[in-house]
Amino acid sequence: ETGVTQTPRHLVMGMTNKKSLKCEQHLGHNAMYWYKQSAKKPLELMFVYNFKEQTENNSVPSRFSPECPNSSHLFLHLHTLQPEDSALYLCASSQPTVLNTEAFFGQGTRLTVV
Amino acid sequence: AQSVTQLGSHVSVSEGALVLLRCNYSSSVPPYLFWYVQYPNQGLQLLLKYTSAATLVKGINGFEAEFKKSETSFHLTKPSAHMSDAAEYFCAVSDPGSARQLTFGSGTQLTVLP
Repeated sequence: ETGVTQTPRHLVMGMTNKKSLKCEQHLGHNAMYWYKQSAKKPLELMFVYNFKEQTENNSVPSRFSPECPNSSHLFLHLHTLQPEDSALYLCASSQPTVLNTEAFFGQGTRLTVV
Repeated sequence: AQSVTQLGSHVSVSEGALVLLRCNYSSSVPPYLFWYVQYPNQGLQLLLKYTSAATLVKGINGFEAEFKKSETSFHLTKPSAHMSDAAEYFCAVSDPGSARQLTFGSGTQLTVLP
């Protein structure tokens, strides 16, 4: 248990569906992240939020829409996805300071787009 | 810009043998360095980190890593492999003081043979 909880753990959705992934952290961190992990590819950073403000969007298609209502919660809204979007989506949080930049990860949501 | 190269996407060792997973980094400033482990369908768990204190860092599960500035390396070792060490291992770098997020290597899959 890392203090970062992701739900659901598994999700199967059709290309016309709309769904949301949820991430919650109880570590008092100010930064939260979404990563995509596809088979045989490096971890891809998708979005970064610092103090609830989005500070990075790494050229992610608009069919992925993040939301950070407060510093403890992060959502990833999904709509009209493609089969190549099937992957493990990881949420992480950190308290980025001069002394400490390590990230704590949730267990991920395994997404399958059919 | 910072980057991480992990040499060898797959490493196999016999149970009881030495584990050596290689990581080289590129950074314009003295970096912070991390090793994470990922078990199947799980998130990433921090094994150890280097933050400019001792160059030999001890982590969980008997792993350790040595920061070698002259070689720009941060290789992960364990004297005696256990079956439970089979997992994917990721090296990561961050730029201290700028609150940057982590940059990950592409990962090394460790197989432990009986």
